[in-house]
Amino acid sequence: DQQVKQNSPSLSVQEGRISILNCDYTNSMFDYFLWYKKYPAEGPTFLISISSIKDKNEDGRFTVFLNKSAKHLSLHIVPSQPGDSAVYFCAASVIQGAQKLVFGQGTRLTINP
Amino acid sequence: DAGITQSPRHKVTETGTPVTLRCHQTENHRYMYWYRQDPGHGLRLIHYSYGVKDTDKGEVSDGYSVSRSKTEDFLLTLESATSSQTSVYFCASGGPTYNSPLHFGNGTRLTVT
Repeated sequence: DQQVKQNSPSLSVQEGRISILNCDYTNSMFDYFLWYKKYPAEGPTFLISISSIKDKNEDGRFTVFLNKSAKHLSLHIVPSQPGDSAVYFCAASVIQGAQKLVFGQGTRLTINP
Repeated sequence: DAGITQSPRHKVTETGTPVTLRCHQTENHRYMYWYRQDPGHGLRLIHYSYGVKDTDKGEVSDGYSVSRSKTEDFLLTLESATSSQTSVYFCASGGPTYNSPLHFGNGTRLTVT
């Protein structure tokens, strides 16, 4: 059973517009959530995170929203740029010593000029 | 760049042979992790380490073993490789607090024929 799900395998957005990537989770014990970005032939790189005590976290063009009651989080990128084209993974963990991340399947974002 | 390197980057091996993948980090991170990435599954945790000689199982640990004899090195061994272990393997390391983001290596693509 997939505890973290990204139901959209791909998303195409025009440059300059907003990109919204979604993620759902089932385990109510998760209290820390992250987004990673991955380019081909590279490892994932950390983008932004949010703990369950917050419902929003911003970092430049990137904002993550958390809806605990719906067990849903989303990543907003605005404005979208061509360099944002990549695979985006959401991940969740329980705050403890080791950060044992549970990843979603990923969403491939393509930014069109 | 967290200074985490994986070797080899690519490997082809035959079913039944032992294989060892290496991960080296220069950040003095306490925690290290091995993940595998497969289509439709995102990244799944194989094993992790919370210190020298301290390791524990992750979600998909069957058929894998790990060792950590030094802070900077974390080895993943497939005792007898099977075709189901064909995958891309990522190593990650992380700092002392829960909100220290994991830094990933660039992966090892392993093919078991």
